[in-house]
Amino acid sequence: IAGITQAPTSQILAAGRRMTLRCTQDMRHNAMYWYRQDLGLGLRLIHYSNTAGTTGKGEVPDGYSVSRANTDDFPLTLASAVPSQTSVYFCASSESIGGGHNEQFFGPGTRLTVL
Amino acid sequence: GQNIDQPTEMTATEGAIVQINCTYQTSGFNGLFWYQQHAGEAPTFLSYNVLDGLEEKGRFSSFLSRSKGYSYLLLKELQMKDSASYLCAVRDSDYKLSFGAGTTVTVRA
Repeated sequence: IAGITQAPTSQILAAGRRMTLRCTQDMRHNAMYWYRQDLGLGLRLIHYSNTAGTTGKGEVPDGYSVSRANTDDFPLTLASAVPSQTSVYFCASSESIGGGHNEQFFGPGTRLTVL
Repeated sequence: GQNIDQPTEMTATEGAIVQINCTYQTSGFNGLFWYQQHAGEAPTFLSYNVLDGLEEKGRFSSFLSRSKGYSYLLLKELQMKDSASYLCAVRDSDYKLSFGAGTTVTVRA
């Protein structure tokens, strides 16, 4: 069982280019999340999805879009990358978005550099 | 907005005890999580508190006081492999997690 996989592992991207970060989970979790992690700022939520077919905005959604066509996949797209989007991106999932223990499981991350 | 504070760095000796404090001010409260993150790796779940008191899990314990907006993570019998960042995260009234910036713990021999 892989858990959560992300691709690519790392990427260097020219400013203005379009980029899609891939995330796939095999735990049949309903909820999925995208975070960015920057030094000194901790993890910040970009977008989330309660279940397949629905998405919502997190704390820092500008410049990013997501889709949730099925349970397993939750791609994050940067339509026109800017240097401030240089970060480490983590995808996560949980059984649901509600209360209870309901911990989030994180993927290995994608290190993105925008020049 | 959410405000979660924890110390930036802590250093301790192998075999010792370290306590990492976390204070929070959030819009609603639906539980507090601690995650461990080794350099270059993904965060992994350590503990969950939703009621006041102490939760013990082996060498790690986590405490919560909701009235004080305060939690701590206690690491006992420190090992070199415990050198990592420890992230405090609060789940708010919308069931979203807000993370502190993390505390980097360095364990010295």
